[in-house]
Amino acid sequence: QEQLVESGGDVVQPGKSLRLSCAASGFIFRNYALHWVRQAPGKGLEWVGLVSKNGGYEDFADSVRGRFTSSRDNSKNTLSLRMDTLRPEDTAVYYCARDRGGGYFDLWGRGTLVAVSS
Amino acid sequence: SVLTQAPSVSVAPGETAGISCRGDQLSTKNVHWYQQKAGQAPTLVIFDDSARPSGIPERFSGSNSADTAILTISSVEAGDEADYYCQVVDGSSSYRVFGGGTKLTVL
Repeated sequence: QEQLVESGGDVVQPGKSLRLSCAASGFIFRNYALHWVRQAPGKGLEWVGLVSKNGGYEDFADSVRGRFTSSRDNSKNTLSLRMDTLRPEDTAVYYCARDRGGGYFDLWGRGTLVAVSS
Repeated sequence: SVLTQAPSVSVAPGETAGISCRGDQLSTKNVHWYQQKAGQAPTLVIFDDSARPSGIPERFSGSNSADTAILTISSVEAGDEADYYCQVVDGSSSYRVFGGGTKLTVL
């Protein structure tokens, strides 16, 4: 069964850092680019960033560029998101999602909640 | 790219629901659609304008012409009640862009 499972969500103070993880199973992890998508409470979906198949390329939305970085370990089938200088507006459920190769997401995790509050 | 969706659509069971997604020169892009039921992660229901992933009923169909893509759900069921999002790849970058979402209410 193909699966993505996020973890690491927490309540953090503004300005602090947090690392999220996404564990994959049931498919050949290294064959797919992976993305992070977030959803603020009661709001729509917002693309956060992507990591290429081999981890050599990443790109992020303007709203997080310079504060967020992502990496992957293809030997452990894991993706991580390092979030620095967190802001209240970063509060959201963070999903990892698999890129089928055609620009769309064919597999999503259940998400992990990040709350940034003092 | 900016994608515009109506905030809500209501339809009676058994009727047909049309959910639109508007964007500049949208027909030049592949549009993908996601369904998100309350408290759940999104799931892909249409990719590349009109293709259905395995397991998605034929009641779900899509089209894309000029500046508007449409997700059509025929013979709507109570279980179709959800938020629906369109999505494209920004032509000038690797960005993925989502529409604001449309809440489908089954009366």
